[in-house]
Amino acid sequence: DAGVTQSPTHLIKTRGQQVTLRCSPKSGHDTVSWYQQALGQGPQFIFQYYEEEERQRGNFPDRFSGHQFPNYSSELNVNALLLGDSALYLCASSLFDRDFHGYTFGSGTRLTVV
Amino acid sequence: DAKTTQPNSMESNEEEPVHLPCNHSTISGTDYIHWYRQLPSQGPEYVIHGLTSNVNNRMASLAIAEDRKSSTLILHRATLRDAAVYYCILRSTGANNLFFGTGTRLTVIP
Repeated sequence: DAGVTQSPTHLIKTRGQQVTLRCSPKSGHDTVSWYQQALGQGPQFIFQYYEEEERQRGNFPDRFSGHQFPNYSSELNVNALLLGDSALYLCASSLFDRDFHGYTFGSGTRLTVV
Repeated sequence: DAKTTQPNSMESNEEEPVHLPCNHSTISGTDYIHWYRQLPSQGPEYVIHGLTSNVNNRMASLAIAEDRKSSTLILHRATLRDAAVYYCILRSTGANNLFFGTGTRLTVIP
């Protein structure tokens, strides 16, 4: 049973460019959340997608956007990259119900902005 | 979401028990206590969660204080593979997401 799959594993981009990160949730999960983890910090919540809609959003600018597809997979897009966007981007999947059992995380995409 | 306080780092000898503390003095009656850990170069992984009663699973035990203002994650016999950052997180009932702090970095000494 495959867990959460993220691609690519590593990425180097130049300031001002745009990037798209991809996530396939664990089989049976319908909700995808994205987190940004700077070096030495805990993961910070970016947003969550369920039924192809953004359901919750953390304190991130509009440069960060996302999408969820009918098969529950998701993309995270970041426009106008800044050096400070360099981080590990984590995708987590779960079931969107009241009896929340927690997330399954992927191993992340390491984004470096130069 | 209510805040948690954890020590920045802890050390333990291999094959000895480890008690990782977490303070959450502003916890509400409907907040669940979740623990995740993050091994090097990996995403966080679920360890255990509870509401009021102590909980056990194959990975660890969770001891919750009677007033619920603190909890302790117990690893019964630390191995080198338990070296990780451990996060204690509060989640409101009905909330479908988790907000992480900076966690406790556990070092296991051979």
